[in-house]
Amino acid sequence: SQQGEEDPQALSIQEGENATMNCSYKTSINNLQWYRQNSGRGLVHLILIRSNEREKHSGRLRVTLDTSKKSSSLLITASRAADTASYFCATVPGMDSSYKLIFGSGTRLLVRP
Amino acid sequence: DGGITQSPKYLFRKEGQNVTLSCEQNLNHDAMYWYRQDPGQGLRLIYYSQIVNDFQKGDIAEGYSVSREKKESFPLTVTSAQKNPTAFYLCASRTRGGYNEQFFGPGTRLTVL
Repeated sequence: SQQGEEDPQALSIQEGENATMNCSYKTSINNLQWYRQNSGRGLVHLILIRSNEREKHSGRLRVTLDTSKKSSSLLITASRAADTASYFCATVPGMDSSYKLIFGSGTRLLVRP
Repeated sequence: DGGITQSPKYLFRKEGQNVTLSCEQNLNHDAMYWYRQDPGQGLRLIYYSQIVNDFQKGDIAEGYSVSREKKESFPLTVTSAQKNPTAFYLCASRTRGGYNEQFFGPGTRLTVL
């Protein structure tokens, strides 16, 4: 089952612009993570935000979490062509001890040079 | 270099054949996972193992089998019972504890001829 739904499904921006992707989920969570996937490759972990955190930064990445709305957003500032990839949110369910990750359907980001 | 390796990168299978996908990690991680990814979609969990000699079904285990005889290895067999096996298969691992950040291999693309 896929808990996360991402919006938009695809996003095309000019280099230097900011990119914002949103993720909604259905059940309570322990934490929420964002991953990047370049075409035909494995996923790379970008950033994690715990359920008791509201905002987190890492370099050009900013993640927010609103547990009351069951949603998160990923902001990439000053985008570069190398940021072109698919971005997935993944949640760790709050009461699940199996440590499964539940992935959303992803946002495909294209950064035009 | 520490990491996760998957082989082969591309695999072709005739209908009715079983095939085995390899996943090896030298990160000393306890838990390992197998995911399936279909075009334009997120990842779905097939099987996972939290310790050696133990594994659990994920959301789409039918037609697949696994073993975990060694900490470093978690091979996935796609059996002839899997009706639509053409997909991209990703292996991941994580360490014990932490927040379930997962490290991914480069993937195997399986095509049924």
